[in-house]
Amino acid sequence: EAQVTQNPRYLITVTGKKLTVTCSQNMNHEYMSWYRQDPGLGLRQIYYSMNVEVTDKGDVPEGYKVSRKEKRNFPLILESPSPNQTSLYFCASSSSMGTISYEQYFGPGTRLTVT
Amino acid sequence: QKEVEQNSGPLSVPEGAIASLNCTYSDRGSQSFFWYRQYSGKSPELIMSIYSNGDKEDGRFTAQLNKASQYVSLLIRDSQPSDSATYLCAVNTGRDTGFQKLVFGTGTRLLVSP
Repeated sequence: EAQVTQNPRYLITVTGKKLTVTCSQNMNHEYMSWYRQDPGLGLRQIYYSMNVEVTDKGDVPEGYKVSRKEKRNFPLILESPSPNQTSLYFCASSSSMGTISYEQYFGPGTRLTVT
Repeated sequence: QKEVEQNSGPLSVPEGAIASLNCTYSDRGSQSFFWYRQYSGKSPELIMSIYSNGDKEDGRFTAQLNKASQYVSLLIRDSQPSDSATYLCAVNTGRDTGFQKLVFGTGTRLLVSP
């Protein structure tokens, strides 16, 4: 089954404790992206990756890191989480061709609470 | 001005009616447009994509695009209570080869009453 998986699905942590949220897709997609979703603000892009070893900042990259060492995986790293990073996080992937983007498919989400 | 704007709603329609959801965008260079459905606490689910002016139909859903007016809409015919969700409009504002920047509206909440 074609899918995007994320782990963990729920996480409660404390300020400053490094954490990693994993994302994996089995569709051989080049493009992967991380979003956070907050009430009233909608989905905002954190980082994206066009392919292996190619990553770039989205709209709200502060406090986050990513890496893309393999095509299928795109982990999100919070080196020193703070309470303002409490949010619902989604990973997404898509193929892409030219200037027309193909549809992005989302993972199930990770609800992160930082106390 | 926000890049992608939607009325937050809620939009309330009776079962069996047509629900009309609207979205405007600011970047005239945008080339691809998407509608996602999101149930509370769940991930967005792609329901329609549209790339050229006009209408695109898929079952009970019709997407309409007017690039001159920078306007995208989604019509849901024969609305069902199970259609009650938040509908997100997304616009790809990227122009370079292979570049994707998908900008989302904040969503319109649809309520379909039995």
